[in-house]
Amino acid sequence: EAGVVQSPRYKIIEKKQPVAFWCNPISGHNTLYWYRQNLGQGPELLIRYENEEAVDDSQLPKDRFSAERLKGVDSTLKIQPAELGDSAVYLCASSHSGNTDTQYFGPGTRLTVL
Amino acid sequence: KQEVTQIPAALSVPEGENLVLNCSFTDSAIYNLQWFRQDPGKGLTSLLLIQSSQREQTSGRLNASLDKSSGRSTLYIAASQPGDSATYLCAVRGSSNTGKLIFGQGTTLQVKP
Repeated sequence: EAGVVQSPRYKIIEKKQPVAFWCNPISGHNTLYWYRQNLGQGPELLIRYENEEAVDDSQLPKDRFSAERLKGVDSTLKIQPAELGDSAVYLCASSHSGNTDTQYFGPGTRLTVL
Repeated sequence: KQEVTQIPAALSVPEGENLVLNCSFTDSAIYNLQWFRQDPGKGLTSLLLIQSSQREQTSGRLNASLDKSSGRSTLYIAASQPGDSATYLCAVRGSSNTGKLIFGQGTTLQVKP
């Protein structure tokens, strides 16, 4: 069974530029999560989707971050414009349902903003 | 607000040693607690999940315990091996069962041959 796929794995951009990350969850998983992990810290939830619906986006900085999950499968997380403080690893995870199931994580996208 | 703390931040041990990683949380009203492993440049792999009604879970050389009332969990690794070198993260899921995990900052383990 294929795991959670993320691309790109690495991205280097200059501040004020836009950037987008893509995630393909495990087949059949209804719930998708985007986390941000700063260096030396644990991941922090940005947004959670149940199928197409964003059910928890309270930690998403909505002035510059946006996300979508069209057709309830793949998801894209966008930052526009990027700031120096956005440098981090962006992790995508999925689970069969949002309540008790284990979350399976992708390898992440390491973003560096110069 | 739930806060999760892991001590120590880093640990270096010789191969073969038994070791304990600690995790504490401020709000005892949790749904479950998970231990994850993260290798450099990779995502997280779930190791053990303990439901709030359970006291411990075991998988191979790993044993995780949960004391909800005191807000503590430990991950015990028996007979450590160089391949165990990684960052270990604990995460709690709140009792509201929203699916949201709150992570600690992790303990980076190095097992020297």
